[in-house]
Parts: sequence; structure tokens; C-alpha cells
Amino acid sequence: IAGITQAPTSQILAAGRRMTLRCTQDMRHNAMYWYRQDLGLGLRLIHYSNTAGTTGKGEVPDGYSVSRANTDDFPLTLASAVPSQTSVYFCASRQGDGELFFGEGSRLTVL
Amino acid sequence: GENVEQHPSTLSVQEGDSAVIKCTYSDSASNYFPWYKQELGKRPQLIIDIRSNVGEKKDQRIAVTLNKTAKHFSLHITETQPEDSAVYFCAAAEFSGGYNKLIFGAGTRLAVHP
Repeated sequence: IAGITQAPTSQILAAGRRMTLRCTQDMRHNAMYWYRQDLGLGLRLIHYSNTAGTTGKGEVPDGYSVSRANTDDFPLTLASAVPSQTSVYFCASRQGDGELFFGEGSRLTVL
Repeated sequence: GENVEQHPSTLSVQEGDSAVIKCTYSDSASNYFPWYKQELGKRPQLIIDIRSNVGEKKDQRIAVTLNKTAKHFSLHITETQPEDSAVYFCAAAEFSGGYNKLIFGAGTRLAVHP
């Protein structure tokens, strides 16, 4: 089934540890995004990529990094996790000005 | 950058009543305004969208209106049903050069009571 796959679905992490959330899409969409969802704050954009080889900062980029080596993959890395990064993370993709499709989400808890 | 405000944060209605959710945006260059529905534990999914060259769009019980002068847009749900209960998010984006970034509002939790 075509779509966006995120891994892991859930993770508990000790503060200070490094963590990479994986995102893969098979729709050949040019643009990909990472959002975090926190209660009362909606979906906030962390980083985005308009096309393979390019990335940009969103609303809340500090503490996160991304790479876009190819069209399909867009991993999000937390170099040294902190408790404030406890959240649900959604990867998304779209082609041009079409619909934004979301993955199932990754629930991350930093202790 | 773009800033989107959404009201109310919670909304409770009786089945069959109408529900209205309002959003305002800051960037006058924004030209695309989608609405997403998120059921508990699920991913957000697009329910309707509107572009800046249109003032209103309808899809069965759902409609969206856009006032570009005032920089606000609204979601209208008529004849609400219990399955409409969810969190709804508005978003705004400027589409230029083939790319854009969607900025979302904080969400509205809608509860429809039988």
C-alpha cells in the first residue's frame, strides 16, 4: 500500500541520548516535512525539504537535524535528547501544491 | 513568517447542530488553506481545502469560506454527527516557485453529543 512509513512507532529514551526517527515514502513526492504535535500547540513544523538534496528550517528547528539524500527518505535526528522533546512526531509529504499526506506518527518520550 | 490562530480550542454541540471553527492568518501572500481532521490516535487527514481565488467551497456537510481582505477563513459543519467528533486543524501556506510550507493552527477539539 502506497504511503508514508515511520519508525519507530513508539520509543522511550534517556536524556542525552541520540535518536533518529525514520521516514520513508513511496509516492515519489518531491517535498517532505517533519512536524511535532503537542497538546494545545497543534502541529509545529520542525524541518522541511522541497526536493532531494535540500532542507530548510521550520518553526521549531532547534535540537533537530534532517537530511534528504534521496527522494524517498527523510530521517529526523535528535543529537542529544531533552525532556522537552517528548512529543508525537509526524512525517508528511506532498507533490507540488497537492494534498499533504501524514505518516502514522512516532511517539517519543524523553526521560 | 506565517502565523495561524484558531478558535475555539474546544467546541461541544448536540447532534444535528452546526459547528463553526475560525482561523486567522498573518501573511497576506498565503494562498492555500486546508483543513485536517484527526481522530484519536490517528494521523491528520485532509477533509477540505480552498485556494485564494475562491471565496467558498462545499463538500456535502462541510464548507469552507475565505475572506482574504480580513485574512480569515472558517470551517462549517452542518447536521453534525457523533463521528464528526475529532480534532480539527486549519493551515495556511504561500505557494510560490513550486513549493510551500504549511503552518497549522493549534487545533479545535469538537465533541458531538447524541
